[in-house]
Amino acid sequence: AQTVTQSQPEMSVQEAETVTLSCTYDTSENNYYLFWYKQPPSRQMILVIRQEAYKQQNATENRFSVNFQKAAKSFSLKISDSQLGDTAMYFCAHLHTNAGGTSYGKLTFGQGTILTVHP
Amino acid sequence: EPEVTQTPSHQVTQMGQEVILRCVPISNHLYFYWYRQILGQKVEFLVSFYNNEISEKSEIFDDQFSVERPDGSNFTLKIRSTKLEDSAMYFCASSDAGRINSNQPQHFGDGTRLSIL
Repeated sequence: AQTVTQSQPEMSVQEAETVTLSCTYDTSENNYYLFWYKQPPSRQMILVIRQEAYKQQNATENRFSVNFQKAAKSFSLKISDSQLGDTAMYFCAHLHTNAGGTSYGKLTFGQGTILTVHP
Repeated sequence: EPEVTQTPSHQVTQMGQEVILRCVPISNHLYFYWYRQILGQKVEFLVSFYNNEISEKSEIFDDQFSVERPDGSNFTLKIRSTKLEDSAMYFCASSDAGRINSNQPQHFGDGTRLSIL
């Protein structure tokens, strides 16, 4: 079974600085997707960034980038130039595939990291 | 941008009562999901639904739970006889492709907070 582990329950950062959130996962699949979702106090689930496992290049989305280490099964999120609006719970998630390589979309989430950006 | 919409935003129900949570997925999406998040805990997969049948379900999704797509737009989650431990935020999500080489993520609704008294 897939597992996703976020070892940092809480993180804090000063506005305009950079912060990295850690995530490790366990899977027997060779091809899969990984995601970071943001959940602000309003409790919505907002997609931040996604990474396809067969792509070696790390995904980047504006101030958000990932460090994907497939062999180590590590998928960290770096937030540059942190803003007050980045304050939220961040979830790392793995997209499950079946044996045929197709997916019906079961996401397995980590426990989450609460990020607080201080002015 | 199209959105997944969920109603109600907050549902309060007496233990033992039936509750139906409603979702309107994005109109051209074919894959539908329910997730649950107990307060302070991680988001957990409940069920996926495609082509008018359940594709996969978790161990949480027992006989008290059912899903239905009663018409072309709604996707519902029914809990037949609610328990205190069913109190949680329930998220509906949809996607227009399930294949792994698709680049389409799941889009989440804002959730329904279910409180069982």
